Amino acid sequence: KAGVTQTPRYLIKTRGQQVTLSCSPISGHRSVSWYQQTPGQGLQFLFEYFSETQRNKGNFPGRFSGRQFSNSRSEMNVSTLELGDSALYLCASSYSNYEQYFGPGTRLTVT
Amino acid sequence: QKEVEQNSGPLSVPEGAIASLNCTYSDRGSQSFFWYRQYSGKSPELIMSIYSNGDKEDGRFTAQLNKASQYVSLLIRDSQPSDSATYLCAVNIIKSSGNTGKLIFGQGTTLQVKP
Repeated sequence: KAGVTQTPRYLIKTRGQQVTLSCSPISGHRSVSWYQQTPGQGLQFLFEYFSETQRNKGNFPGRFSGRQFSNSRSEMNVSTLELGDSALYLCASSYSNYEQYFGPGTRLTVT
Repeated sequence: QKEVEQNSGPLSVPEGAIASLNCTYSDRGSQSFFWYRQYSGKSPELIMSIYSNGDKEDGRFTAQLNKASQYVSLLIRDSQPSDSATYLCAVNIIKSSGNTGKLIFGQGTTLQVKP
């Protein structure tokens, strides 16, 4: 089975811009969770989608949003980018909602 | 108190030794426990999951869970230089409404295995 894929892998944006990241889960997995990883804060949960519905959301501002499509692919969007949004954004997919498998991540740099 | 705590390390062990990584968690509602390995510049890779008290073995890895003490550990036997990485402990809290799909991670322990 193919693993979780994320596009793009690297991204450089300017403050104030917006960005959309994409995640394709492992075939058959219906749950997609998004995480932000930074050296200072570690891995932090953003939100989780299951069958196109957001089931849980972390403590991030409303500038961070996401959605899931009927084929389970998911996107997250960050509007009005800030320097502090520079991070590795990871998505993870799950079949049983227990074990989560991570994609390679998108490295976002905000200048 | 952090929800999931790990010693940041580095934990340095000689090749062939047993590496012991520890993790404590604060929420007694925690139901599922995971260990991920993350190499520098890579994404986390799931290496062990454990759901009930006791030991679970998979090859050179053994996960141990003690819910009464809110403690989970990972033992790596016959450590190899290729095991050098950051090991992340993660906890999944199951609410009455079901699985939240949210993992809470510790800060990770850096393991160095010296030849």
